[in-house]
Amino acid sequence: GAGVSQSPRYKVAKRGQDVALRCDPISGHVSLFWYQQALGQGPEFLTYFQNEAQLDKSGLPSDRFFAERPEGSVSTLKIQRTQQEDSAVYLCASSNSGGAYEQFFGPGTRLTVL
Amino acid sequence: AQSVTQLDSQVPVFEEAPVELRCNYSSSVSVYLFWYVQYPNQGLQLLLKYLSGSTLVKGINGFEAEFNKSQTSFHLRKPSVHISDTAEYFCAVSDLGNQGGKLIFGQGTELSVKP
Repeated sequence: GAGVSQSPRYKVAKRGQDVALRCDPISGHVSLFWYQQALGQGPEFLTYFQNEAQLDKSGLPSDRFFAERPEGSVSTLKIQRTQQEDSAVYLCASSNSGGAYEQFFGPGTRLTVL
Repeated sequence: AQSVTQLDSQVPVFEEAPVELRCNYSSSVSVYLFWYVQYPNQGLQLLLKYLSGSTLVKGINGFEAEFNKSQTSFHLRKPSVHISDTAEYFCAVSDLGNQGGKLIFGQGTELSVKP
């Protein structure tokens, strides 16, 4: 497809379960970002990749959160031992580069932890 | 640390009326500024961005914004809104020294256009 895709679109997990969220960026885009959007809030930065290198993970809220992009294309955000406060929409964005270049956002994955 | 404040959480307005959504940022360094729109159950779509040059920036769907460095503001305006403009609007900033260009978002403004 032409845009950023994310799967699954919706995920319900029981507290304590592990989840994996997938992001397919626009083909050829070097930069990939993950954001967390809590209900009624603006997105908050989680982590950033340039190709396969994770250059900034300062926004990851705890060591239960882990992201990877092993071949510089598809990325996976993994959350271990999910907690209720992890419930949010997780947005992925890609761009040709950083800074001034537009970030194109996917539709997000809505995670609900019961 | 960078922060973005959107002064109004909700803005109700009648169709064909003008609207202004306010945004202030806190930074003493040069920044890039963005406005994104989010329709229900969709990702964010870029409306417009300020990088440099003219302080009046025009975007899609008839929106424009004015960068005011002295007031650290980047307010979004539209002279005549449509029902289809009903959505959540986010102001965001990225500082020039920030590797990768991660975005810092405001809390969002819900624009509700009534017939």
